[in-house]
Amino acid sequence: EIVLTQSPATLSLSPGERATLSCRASQSVSNYLAWYQQKPGQAPRLLIYGASNRATGIPARFSGSGSGTDFTLTISSLEPEDFAVYYCQQRNNWPLTFGEGTKVEIK
Amino acid sequence: QVHLVESGGGVVQPGRSLRLSCAASGFTFSTYGIHWVRQAPGKGLEWVAVISYDGSNKKYADSVKGRFTISRDSSKNTLWLQMNSLRAEDTAVYYCARDMAVGEMDVWGQGTTVTVSS
Repeated sequence: EIVLTQSPATLSLSPGERATLSCRASQSVSNYLAWYQQKPGQAPRLLIYGASNRATGIPARFSGSGSGTDFTLTISSLEPEDFAVYYCQQRNNWPLTFGEGTKVEIK
Repeated sequence: QVHLVESGGGVVQPGRSLRLSCAASGFTFSTYGIHWVRQAPGKGLEWVAVISYDGSNKKYADSVKGRFTISRDSSKNTLWLQMNSLRAEDTAVYYCARDMAVGEMDVWGQGTTVTVSS
């Protein structure tokens, strides 16, 4: 099973600041990595697929990069609605696995 | 409007069974694979199972293999998760989610809560 390790566990930032979230895979997942956002009491929402492709309706301030084992989700300028938990997920191998999540909180 | 709506959750005793449903609308259900993903209280996301667009291919997480069965009826636009021999560690919110390509999930339901407790 591929283990995804996200860091940091918590990121404390102010609106307008840049957020950089990391996801590291225990073995290569090529570019088969997705990012999701989840707010309290809500279902996850797909942000990024194929490591760097924004899903439909996702603002341009969200971007993804990386391949192989190291991936990054960047939020260029945090909006109030961006404070949430972010998960990475790989689809290179079965079983599909998620990272433990990074919480982006207001500083 | 594309929608997935889960139902069937509740409180059940350990060892008993429960069947979850996921009703789809707003898209051609028969052309998409569908996943079940769960989230234990205060925890992260755990993939549970997937069924292919035509029901011919199914995969399960090791934690549920042999106890859970995923199925679908495209004439009813409905997906099910039959959960047998339930354990306390199966307590979670269960989401159904549409497979966008081969493993990314682009549409999610609101979830249904399963609590396994005596």
